[in-house]
Amino acid sequence: GDSVTQMEGPVTLSEEACLTINCTYTATGYPSLFWYVQYPGEGLQLLLKATKADDKGSNKGFEATYRKETTSFHLEKGSVQVSDSAVYFCALRNTGNQFYFGTGTSLTVIP
Amino acid sequence: GAVVSQHPSWVICKSGTSVKIECRSLDFQATTMFWYRQFPKQSLMLMATSNEGSKATYEQGVEKDKFLINHASLTLSTLTVTSAHPEDSSFYICSAPLEGPYNEQFFGPGTRLTVL
Repeated sequence: GDSVTQMEGPVTLSEEACLTINCTYTATGYPSLFWYVQYPGEGLQLLLKATKADDKGSNKGFEATYRKETTSFHLEKGSVQVSDSAVYFCALRNTGNQFYFGTGTSLTVIP
Repeated sequence: GAVVSQHPSWVICKSGTSVKIECRSLDFQATTMFWYRQFPKQSLMLMATSNEGSKATYEQGVEKDKFLINHASLTLSTLTVTSAHPEDSSFYICSAPLEGPYNEQFFGPGTRLTVL
């Protein structure tokens, strides 16, 4: 079945460090891919998305490229800030409109 | 952006009792809402799709008689955990799409259920 596997955390980085959170997926057909972020005490928020191969989603300095050949959608940011501390979820939406989420990766950025 | 609220944010109950969780879309109407369950350090698992004016659609393995879903209006869906047991303790999250089920989902903050 369809599934998402993402890098386990927690991840702790110093401010201005580079971030990569790996995400790979398994799906039939052509899913849409998402990164959601959950700040403490809040609901999941869409961070970025890509709906077809080679699309790059970007938002707030974060980027992820839909790589069909490697079935990946890794999240990257060149310089993290303390305010980026949150839990990040990779997800796919399959052609049946069902969402599958990764386990989430907790990021803590220290000054 | 659109806002989805859940109530309560956390609840503790005794084994055997029933617990109702509300999910509301505050500034938009949603004919469809989704209910998820999340165990610690695990993925969000889709439990069911709540449909306004019709029966909910449950994912395989989810007991429909245990997890009662009612989509009472275009802004409210409720999940009732009946005869709760400790194994039902979990984090329950709802979501609602803006303008149709294929568009962006907005998630509620979640409800932490602890069954003693």
